[in-house]
Amino acid sequence: QVQLQESGPGLVKPSETLSLTCSVSGVSISGFWWSWIRQSPAKGLEWIGYIYYSGSTKYNPSLKSRVTMSVDTSMNQFSLNVRSVTEADTAIYYCAKGGEPPEDWGQGILVTVSS
Amino acid sequence: DIQMTQSPSTLSASVGDRVTITCRASQSVSNWLAWYQQKPGQAPKLLIYRASSLKSGVPSRFSGSGSGTEFTLTISTLQPDDFATYYCQQYDTYVTFGQGTKVEIK
Repeated sequence: QVQLQESGPGLVKPSETLSLTCSVSGVSISGFWWSWIRQSPAKGLEWIGYIYYSGSTKYNPSLKSRVTMSVDTSMNQFSLNVRSVTEADTAIYYCAKGGEPPEDWGQGILVTVSS
Repeated sequence: DIQMTQSPSTLSASVGDRVTITCRASQSVSNWLAWYQQKPGQAPKLLIYRASSLKSGVPSRFSGSGSGTEFTLTISTLQPDDFATYYCQQYDTYVTFGQGTKVEIK
């Protein structure tokens, strides 16, 4: 049974970079797409993008200029960086297995952007 | 961007009722449509993909239909565990979600 666990700082200052990691267990990261989605009261569920185990990516056009995703197959994990954050980036961030559609989700991590 | 619009936003129903939620896309998404269930404090859970395919392990009282721009999620006989918020999601062109439909106890 696949399990995903998000980790990273719960508080990030405005203009800094938000960095999260998703640790995957129960399945090899190889051979699959892996997604990041966020949820906030203001925007609801918002797709950030997904990455293939080989490193190919597809990002939300509205976030593309600030987002980078990467994969570490040796650690069976993948990561998200969002640069130049503002309070509008405050949300619960989820990682998930699959891209179209994301099928198994982590429990989520609340990230607050505040000085 | 493809916009997804769900109706109603809130639905009051009783255990045993048949419930239908509608999702409309601003342009055709073929059958690249998924439905999720979310309960408070939990991540969304995939119920249906490709408009009408039930994910393994999901009860058969859930069903999906539609193609193009109009889709429905039906719960044939509402159970106590089904009170939750439901989201549609298109994955034809990038990925976008509907705003959600909360199914509450009448």
